Amino acid sequence: EVQLVESGGGLVQPGRSLRLSCAASGFTFDDYAMHWVRQAPGKGLEWVSGISWNSGSIGYADSVKGRFTISRDNAKNSLYLQMNSLRAEDTALYYCAKDMRQLVSGAFDIWGQGTMVTVSS
Amino acid sequence: QSVLTQPPSASGTPGQRVTISCSGSSSNIGSNYVYWYQQLPGTAPKLLIYRNNQRPSGVPDRFSGSKSGTSASLAISGLRSEDEADYYCAAWDDSLSGPVVFGGGTKLTVL
Repeated sequence: EVQLVESGGGLVQPGRSLRLSCAASGFTFDDYAMHWVRQAPGKGLEWVSGISWNSGSIGYADSVKGRFTISRDNAKNSLYLQMNSLRAEDTALYYCAKDMRQLVSGAFDIWGQGTMVTVSS
Repeated sequence: QSVLTQPPSASGTPGQRVTISCSGSSSNIGSNYVYWYQQLPGTAPKLLIYRNNQRPSGVPDRFSGSKSGTSASLAISGLRSEDEADYYCAAWDDSLSGPVVFGGGTKLTVL
């Protein structure tokens, strides 16, 4: 079964850090680009970051550039998001999503169930 | 304020055909593919349309996508109660806004 399982979310104070993980199974992980997409409570989808199959191409939304770092470990079939200098506006459900291609596109064909990040003092 | 503009709501009765629009610019829809996602209440999004008008396997042919210039549309024919969901368009953006941009979403109500 093709599956993405996120972990690492929780309650964190403003200015602190958090690292999200996404474990992939059921497909050849290193054949595809991967992404993080978030959704604030009651709001729409926002693409956060994407990484190509070999980590050679990485992109970030302006809202997180310089604070978040995406990475992947193909040997462990895992995707990560290091989030630093967290702000209240980063509060959201963070989804891990698989791209249909090796390079970053907008076609996310497999999604995890999400991990909730709450930034509050 | 989303880079891609969608109507916040749409509605239809069972069996009807409804369309949802998505408006962008030359840096996104005008020069790149459009994707559509369906998000049922309390669930993760699901890819409905890729590359403007292609359906992934398992997506009924009641769903279709089109693009013209800097706008795109999702059409749902033979509307069913289970189609009640939020629908999002997305596209690659060549500007500094970021590689991938989403529309604000359209809540479809089946009356």
